[in-house]
Amino acid sequence: QSALTQPASVSGSPGQSITISCTGTSSDVGSYNLVSWYQQHPGKAPKLMIYEGSKRPSGVSNRFSGSKSGNTASLTISGLQAEDEADYYCCSYAGSSPHVVFGGGTKLTVL
Amino acid sequence: EVQLVESGGGLVQPGRSLRLSCAASGFTFDDYAMHWVRQAPGKGLEWVSGISWNSGSIGYADSVKGRFTISRDNAKNSLYLQMNSLRAEDTALYYCAKDKHLSTSCHFDYWGQGTLVTVSS
Repeated sequence: QSALTQPASVSGSPGQSITISCTGTSSDVGSYNLVSWYQQHPGKAPKLMIYEGSKRPSGVSNRFSGSKSGNTASLTISGLQAEDEADYYCCSYAGSSPHVVFGGGTKLTVL
Repeated sequence: EVQLVESGGGLVQPGRSLRLSCAASGFTFDDYAMHWVRQAPGKGLEWVSGISWNSGSIGYADSVKGRFTISRDNAKNSLYLQMNSLRAEDTALYYCAKDKHLSTSCHFDYWGQGTLVTVSS
């Protein structure tokens, strides 16, 4: 099972919106509405930002939104803030073993 | 408050074994699947293994299949990872993560702080 494909880096200015893509296959992203997104700041554990493709856990800002089209999931962050600068990872359920596959991660830089 | 505390990491020689533990508290442990996720120094996240609430469904990444064994003891609110035939490429910070569901998904809503495993001679 190959990792999901994410851009290595994205950037944006404060107040702008950015979108991070996550491309999988018909065996993972395309087959299940079980994509999640994680934010990881340096030296910290990952934090769940989006689950089941578009749902936000309690406490996560509504500036974060998720969507999916075919084999590609996307994370959009609107109204960029300095504290959004972090690494972002997508993850998809993949059915039979291996059950789960991560993307390679995207470094978001807030200019 | 949900807490996941990993232990058991350390420096180990290639080919040797190590057993990681994760002590869970603050939630009903046997209502959720659990996972191990690792992160090599300076690299991305890699799912290692997951186990459903009743151990009925277990999965492994291809990179560890046949060498690692995940297990849980619901009576002790604990998750384990037995790692055999360790290789240099297994060097990583190993996180214990709680799933949002009974069965394995990729929705990890709580993470521990990790335990570092270094495989080197």
